[in-house]
Amino acid sequence: KQEVTQIPAALSVPEGENLVLNCSFTDSAIYNLQWFRQDPGKGLTSLLLIQSSQREQTSGRLNASLDKSSGRSTLYIAASQPGDSATYLCAVRRTGNQFYFGTGTSLTVIP
Amino acid sequence: EAGVAQSPRYKIIEKRQSVAFWCNPISGHATLYWYQQILGQGPKLLIQFQNNGVVDDSQLPKDRFSAERLKGVDSTLKIQPAKLEDSAVYLCASSQDRGLGELFFGEGSRLTVL
Repeated sequence: KQEVTQIPAALSVPEGENLVLNCSFTDSAIYNLQWFRQDPGKGLTSLLLIQSSQREQTSGRLNASLDKSSGRSTLYIAASQPGDSATYLCAVRRTGNQFYFGTGTSLTVIP
Repeated sequence: EAGVAQSPRYKIIEKRQSVAFWCNPISGHATLYWYQQILGQGPKLLIQFQNNGVVDDSQLPKDRFSAERLKGVDSTLKIQPAKLEDSAVYLCASSQDRGLGELFFGEGSRLTVL
């Protein structure tokens, strides 16, 4: 069974700092990996999707990398802003359209 | 392109009452998911449909939860009777079977059981 872990569970940084969120998974046989953002009381918003054949994806200040062999993905956020404060979740997709979620990292960016 | 629609956004009920949640996925998405998210936890899959057939309902508490997806489009999740521990956000999501296979979520339905 696929297990997805996100460390740390919570992170607090001053505005402007660059930061890295981590996601690890136990089974490297994945179809893709997706990073989501969740604001309090809201649904999950897709940030980046990395196919299993890709190494990284970029969108604005966000960069996600994938290392299937080591079972790791990182989400890099450059020049953090207070508006980036949210919970960030990663999910891996296996064949058969099954998704496995981590428990998330709660990020607070202090002005 | 319209996103995943869910209703109601909020619902407060007494224990032992019943409640129903509705979801309309993105047009053309064959796979529909219902997740339960308890505060501070990641989403937990309750049931997965492909078109109008059930792919996985292994974690659905079938003594009180039921779900259907008529005509392979809209879906309804019902809880009857509700328990205090059912207080959670119920998230609906959909994805295509091919292409990128990206997962899209609705805003969720927050249930409070008193």
